[in-house]
Amino acid sequence: ELKVEQNPLFLSMQEGKNYTIYCNYSTTSDRLYWYRQDPGKSLESLFVLLSNGAVKQEGRLMASLDTKARLSTLHITAAVHDLSATYFCAVGGRSGGGADGLTFGKGTHLIIQP
Amino acid sequence: DAGVIQSPRHEVTEMGQEVTLRCKPISGHNSLFWYRQTMMRGLELLIYFNNNVPIDDSGMPEDRFSAKMPNASFSTLKIQPSEPRDSAVYFCASSTWAGNSPLHFGNGTRLTVT
Repeated sequence: ELKVEQNPLFLSMQEGKNYTIYCNYSTTSDRLYWYRQDPGKSLESLFVLLSNGAVKQEGRLMASLDTKARLSTLHITAAVHDLSATYFCAVGGRSGGGADGLTFGKGTHLIIQP
Repeated sequence: DAGVIQSPRHEVTEMGQEVTLRCKPISGHNSLFWYRQTMMRGLELLIYFNNNVPIDDSGMPEDRFSAKMPNASFSTLKIQPSEPRDSAVYFCASSTWAGNSPLHFGNGTRLTVT
């Protein structure tokens, strides 16, 4: 059974600071996704990581994937209040073609204070 | 594109009643997923379809839950009879066949069973 663990689950940080969210998963996979969810809202896709060493950046967020370590990170640079949200990582169940359901981590509830 | 459309947005019902949740995927997407989100259990995959065919329903918690996808533009998730522990936010998501595409989520249906 695929398990996805995120840490920390809760994070309060100040604006302007840097921090990293970690996502570990238990079995081999070549597909990892990061999502954002604002309170009471839907999930928004942030990044799709498909290969070992993949790195993607969007604004103050950067995601990376190490398939050998089964680890992905989401790095926040110079945090701003607008980035306050819950961030989820999700892993595909099998490699190869064809869509299948993703297994989600518990999410990291991020609060960025002025 | 209108995105994934779910209805109703909110549903309040009494224990024992039948509940039907509806989903219209993004046009051209041929995979559809039903997820349930609670504070305790996070995001759980209930069932997913590829080309209108149910592929994996191992996440459906009990026989009280059933899902159908009669055509490419419509799916339902039915709970009969409903119980208070079914209270959750139910999300529908869709994606293209390509295994590397992200899931696009609807706004969810918040179900409360009293």
